Amino acid sequence: DAGVIQSPRHEVTEMGQEVTLRCKPISGHDYLFWYRQTMMRGLELLIYFNNNVPIDDSGMPEDRFSAKMPNASFSTLKIQPSEPRDSAVYFCASRTLGLAGGPRADTQYFGPGTRLTVL
Amino acid sequence: GENVEQHPSTLSVQEGDSAVIKCTYSDSASNYFPWYKQELGKRPQLIIDIRSNVGEKKDQRIAVTLNKTAKHFSLHITETQPEDSAVYFCAAKAAGNKLTFGGGTRVLVKP
Repeated sequence: DAGVIQSPRHEVTEMGQEVTLRCKPISGHDYLFWYRQTMMRGLELLIYFNNNVPIDDSGMPEDRFSAKMPNASFSTLKIQPSEPRDSAVYFCASRTLGLAGGPRADTQYFGPGTRLTVL
Repeated sequence: GENVEQHPSTLSVQEGDSAVIKCTYSDSASNYFPWYKQELGKRPQLIIDIRSNVGEKKDQRIAVTLNKTAKHFSLHITETQPEDSAVYFCAAKAAGNKLTFGGGTRVLVKP
């Protein structure tokens, strides 16, 4: 299995520009999570999907952030317009429902991340 | 919501010594507690996890203990090696599917 795939791996943009981050979860996983990691705030959950449906977006910082999951193998996180304080590493993670309490249940597998720099 | 606190924030040990990282959580409904290791510039990777129906779990040099009454859990690394140097995160999952992460512990193993 290729694991969770994210693109781009690095993104440098100027303030005000639109940024789109992409994620392909592990095949067969039905949960997808978007996290943001910064030195100041650590790992924060932004939003998660179950079977392509957004379940909890309470971590999305503001209306400039939006996320979609048009199908089971693709999700995007968009920032429009971007600001310097959005600079961070953005991780996508996926998991399978598995059997309750089974060895695969609950485990989240992270992608390699996208390092975003907004100048 | 759930709140997870992790201590210490940095930990320096001599190679061969043991390292212990402690986490506390707030939601008594939490039932799943994973530990992730993150090397510089890399993704967090699961190293061990424990569920609320188990008090201790061991995998070679790493072990995790859980005290549900006190709402705390700990990671123990024995016979530390330089490749154990990384940032370690604890997390807790309450009802639902969200993981709440601790602030991380930067572990440095000195040769």
